[in-house]
Formats: sequence, structure tokens, C-alpha cells
Amino acid sequence: DQQVKQNSPSLSVQEGRISILNCDYTNSMFDYFLWYKKYPAEGPTFLISISSIKDKNEDGRFTVFLNKSAKHLSLHIVPSQPGDSAVYFCAASAEYGNKLVFGAGTILRVKS
Amino acid sequence: KAGVTQTPRYLIKTRGQQVTLSCSPISGHRSVSWYQQTPGQGLQFLFEYFSETQRNKGNFPGRFSGRQFSNSRSEMNVSTLELGDSALYLCASSFSGLGSYEQYFGPGTRLTVT
Repeated sequence: DQQVKQNSPSLSVQEGRISILNCDYTNSMFDYFLWYKKYPAEGPTFLISISSIKDKNEDGRFTVFLNKSAKHLSLHIVPSQPGDSAVYFCAASAEYGNKLVFGAGTILRVKS
Repeated sequence: KAGVTQTPRYLIKTRGQQVTLSCSPISGHRSVSWYQQTPGQGLQFLFEYFSETQRNKGNFPGRFSGRQFSNSRSEMNVSTLELGDSALYLCASSFSGLGSYEQYFGPGTRLTVT
């Protein structure tokens, strides 16, 4: 039972353009959502998070949008840079971040 | 601040053996969680320790166990290793205080069971 789904296995974007990564969830008890970036042979790196009481959170080039009614969140990266090429994981928690449920990940390739 | 450290980084074991992995959290972080990453199952939660007590547990068999020490360092043990236990084991720490729920990951321990 996949509670967090990232339906796009990969995404290719031109440098300078916007990257939009999507994530859907099924568990209505989730109240905290996070995005992580992962390079090969490294642990995931925390990018940005959002609480269920908000619908948007911004940090530099990264913005996360949450649509609770649709059980959908997205990560926008503007402008995209070649260094952003990595696997992006969406994660959710129903217990204030202490037990994360991860999506399968989306491989982002930013072409220069 | 130093990040989360995990030792060893790579390990090769034989089926039936046991293994202990170690994790040192970020200074001041009191919560340590463990995750298993495999190509087939992705990133899956194993368990979480807070103040030396297991606070959350995932759906893994009893062969997987852990503990946390008074300095917040944590160890994870897998007994009677199976081929399917080959994976990247990730440790994550968090402050676990009000309004701070982000988890920060270490580089992982790559376990290969032959």
C-alpha cells in the first residue's frame, strides 16, 4: 500500500527553466511534508518542508505547494541549475516528522 | 556543526551472520531514526529512538533491533542475515522539539550479504 506516490520516475528540464516535481498521498492523517534531494552514494539532503496548516512555503529557489483537498503537493525549482540534477524524494509524516513515509523518488536531469 | 556520521560506510557479511551499525547524530539532536533503502522497496522506516527509548517502529521482523545511548548515539543490529537484507541503511537525526520536525540523514552504511 503506497501511501506516498511520485508517479513520474524521471523529469528532464532545460537549465534556467522551472522544474515541477509532484507527489500524491492517500493518508489523510499526514500533517507534515518534506522534500529531500539525493545524490548517488550519499544520504538524502533535506530541502524544504511544509506543515498541513499552510499551502505554500518558499526557500530561495525552492517552493513547495500543498493542496490538502487533492492530497497533492509539488516542489517548484526556479531557475533550475545543472547541480540540481539528483533524485528527489517526497516524504510525509503523521507524527510530527518522526516516522517518515517516502515516495519512490523522481530523477531530475537539468540540461545545460 | 558536524553532520550525522555513520560507521562503517561499507560492510560485507555472510548469510546467517549478524551485524551492528553505528550512528552519531548531530550535536543536540535527541531523536535518531533508521531507514532501509533497497531498489525494490525504496526508503522504508525501521525504527526511531528518543531519549534511549524506542518511540516508533516500522514493519520489519524482530531480527532488526536497535538501541540508543545516553549521548544520543545509536546502534542498529541485524541478526541471522538474509540475502534480502542487502541494502543501504540510513540513519537520520532530528531535534524533535516543538516546530522542528526535519530529519537530517547520514551518508549511510552499504551492507552486502553474500
